[in-house]
Amino acid sequence: AQSVTQLDSQVPVFEEAPVELRCNYSSSVSVYLFWYVQYPNQGLQLLLKYLSGSTLVKGINGFEAEFNKSQTSFHLRKPSVHISDTAEYFCAVLNTGFQKLVFGTGTRLLVSP
Amino acid sequence: DGGITQSPKYLFRKEGQNVTLSCEQNLNHDAMYWYRQDPGQGLRLIYYSQIVNDFQKGDIAEGYSVSREKKESFPLTVTSAQKNPTAFYLCASSMGINNSPLHFGNGTRLTVT
Repeated sequence: AQSVTQLDSQVPVFEEAPVELRCNYSSSVSVYLFWYVQYPNQGLQLLLKYLSGSTLVKGINGFEAEFNKSQTSFHLRKPSVHISDTAEYFCAVLNTGFQKLVFGTGTRLLVSP
Repeated sequence: DGGITQSPKYLFRKEGQNVTLSCEQNLNHDAMYWYRQDPGQGLRLIYYSQIVNDFQKGDIAEGYSVSREKKESFPLTVTSAQKNPTAFYLCASSMGINNSPLHFGNGTRLTVT
């Protein structure tokens, strides 16, 4: 079975600093990978996705992620964060052999002035 | 604008009562999903449906029931058999059960006392 690990439950960072949110997955077959963002009391919004091709994926709001097959990771990065980036971020994996998206437990990004 | 509408946003019920959460989409998506979100646990799949009149149990289906009589609608009933019903419930849809990203509603927060 596939699984997703987001080791950091909370990441505090100052405005305009860079940030990396970590995501590792386990799967015995090929996967599709996603990052979603959730603002307070709202649903999830897709940030970016990796389906195939280039391992560096660019998403909305200046975020990007890199798929590393050897390390089974899909870390999310942003070179300079804004206060408005404060939210919870979820990594998710879809095993190409199955049809169910599995979510990590989320990382809360807290951006302060 | 196309999207997913969940209603109501907040719902309060007494223990022992069944309650139905509404989810409507106008995206013409075939697949629809119900997730439950609890703090620190990420999203857990309750039920999903690939086509009208068909649905499958997810990871935590006990105490819940669904119907899919119309493509646009996928209501979730939280029954009195659900031991811990207080949670944030998210409905989602996608073009199909493949690598299509999920589109989420804004959720319903259910409180049972």
